Amino acid sequence: NAGVMQNPRHLVRRRGQEARLRCSPMKGHSHVYWYRQLPEEGLKFMVYLQKENIIDESGMPKERFSAEFPKEGPSILRIQQVVRGDSAAYFCASSPLDILTEAFFGQGTRLTVV
Amino acid sequence: GQNIDQPTEMTATEGAIVQINCTYQTSGFNGLFWYQQHAGEAPTFLSYNVLDGLEEKGRFSSFLSRSKGYSYLLLKELQMKDSASYLCAVRGSEAGNMLTFGGGTRLMVKP
Repeated sequence: NAGVMQNPRHLVRRRGQEARLRCSPMKGHSHVYWYRQLPEEGLKFMVYLQKENIIDESGMPKERFSAEFPKEGPSILRIQQVVRGDSAAYFCASSPLDILTEAFFGQGTRLTVV
Repeated sequence: GQNIDQPTEMTATEGAIVQINCTYQTSGFNGLFWYQQHAGEAPTFLSYNVLDGLEEKGRFSSFLSRSKGYSYLLLKELQMKDSASYLCAVRGSEAGNMLTFGGGTRLMVKP
C-alpha cells in the first residue's frame, strides 16, 4: 500500500507562470488536506477536500490559488501567476475518514519561483 | 480560532532527556498531535493525545492537560538522529477537523 504520493518533488517556475502540484492519497483515502510550509516555519492549513468537493478553503488565498479533487485522479493544487512569495514546500495529507485521527503526509513539493 | 505556541529552538546532549512544551488556545478541541520533521522531509506522526495524562511510546512520551491547554513531548536517551523539528498540532472541531500546527521546535542534539 503506497503512501501519499506527491509530484513533482521539486518545481521551478518563473514569475507569472502557473504551478500545478499533484497529490495521490493513500489507497482507500477520500479526504485530502493541503498545507504550505515556508522556510523555518510550521505548516499552515490551506484547503480540505473530499472527492469532487471542497469542504474548507479558509486557509487558501482568494486569488491565484485553486484546488480540486476529481472523482478520478489525483488532487491538484494550482497556483496561477506565481510570485516569489509562493516559494515554499507544499505538503498533502490524506485520511480515510472525515475525522482526522492521523494524517499521513506526502513527501511534499518544493516550489521555487525565480 | 487557534493559537499554538512552542519554543523555536532547543539544544540537548546525546543520552539526555528533553521536554518540548506546547500551549494552545482553541475554540474547539478534538486531540493534540506531535510530529517529527527532519529537514527537507515530510512530517511523521509521533503521538496523539485526546484525554488528559501521559502516553508512552518507547523513548517518546506525550502529556496532555486540557484544562491548562498544555502538552509536552518528552524524549529520553537522546540520539543524534533525534535532531529535527518537532511540531505540535491541535485538531479542532470545525468541519473536517483539520490540524492546526504550531511553528515547530527545532531540536539540536549535541555529542
